[in-house]
Amino acid sequence: GAVVSQHPSRVICKSGTSVKIECRSLDFQATTMFWYRQFPKKSLMLMATSNEGSKATYEQGVEKDKFLINHASLTLSTLTVTSAHPEDSSFYICSARDERGGSYNEQFFGPGTRLTVL
Amino acid sequence: DQQVKQNSPSLSVQEGRISILNCDYTNSMFDYFLWYKKYPAEGPTFLISISSIKDKNEDGRFTVFLNKSAKHLSLHIVPSQPGDSAVYFCAASVGGGSEKLVFGKGTKLTVNP
Repeated sequence: GAVVSQHPSRVICKSGTSVKIECRSLDFQATTMFWYRQFPKKSLMLMATSNEGSKATYEQGVEKDKFLINHASLTLSTLTVTSAHPEDSSFYICSARDERGGSYNEQFFGPGTRLTVL
Repeated sequence: DQQVKQNSPSLSVQEGRISILNCDYTNSMFDYFLWYKKYPAEGPTFLISISSIKDKNEDGRFTVFLNKSAKHLSLHIVPSQPGDSAVYFCAASVGGGSEKLVFGKGTKLTVNP
């Protein structure tokens, strides 16, 4: 099966610090990964599409300088929340596209990272 | 503007009965639809999907129905089991499930023993 991991699962940080979240595809290569954010009792909102070897594509309203994405290898994408503020507290989830399936390739999600900014 | 809507925030059914979760969409460009199951503090788990060229897809206890003219899809779970209790998200995309997904707000399903 396609397994996606995230690290850390939980992080608490002080306001003004930066936090890095890793997303790894464990048993497949993913040229494309996606980063989502979920607010309490809300839907998952796509933040950006991470492309291996190129710049990420950000959704409207998402600050690219605030949420830095690096997809340096076919199995790893990182999201860095820079100068975190309490309003950045959220559940961040990544997904990776498994491209072995043909024309319709499923996305597999990581377990998520709970970020709390004090 | 919410392109994917799940109007029922919660649903409660008895074990063994059918659970029907509904989803409506507004973007006629969507051509691929997925259902995900999610437990608290975990990532979504893929359940079942359907391409817009089909109107039904079945996988074990799970069946997804698509009515393109009504821009409506539904997930049927038969028979429902207590372990099915979770939040179910409907998602849609343009260009297949590998492209960016637009999610509904989810429906919390509770299956009572």
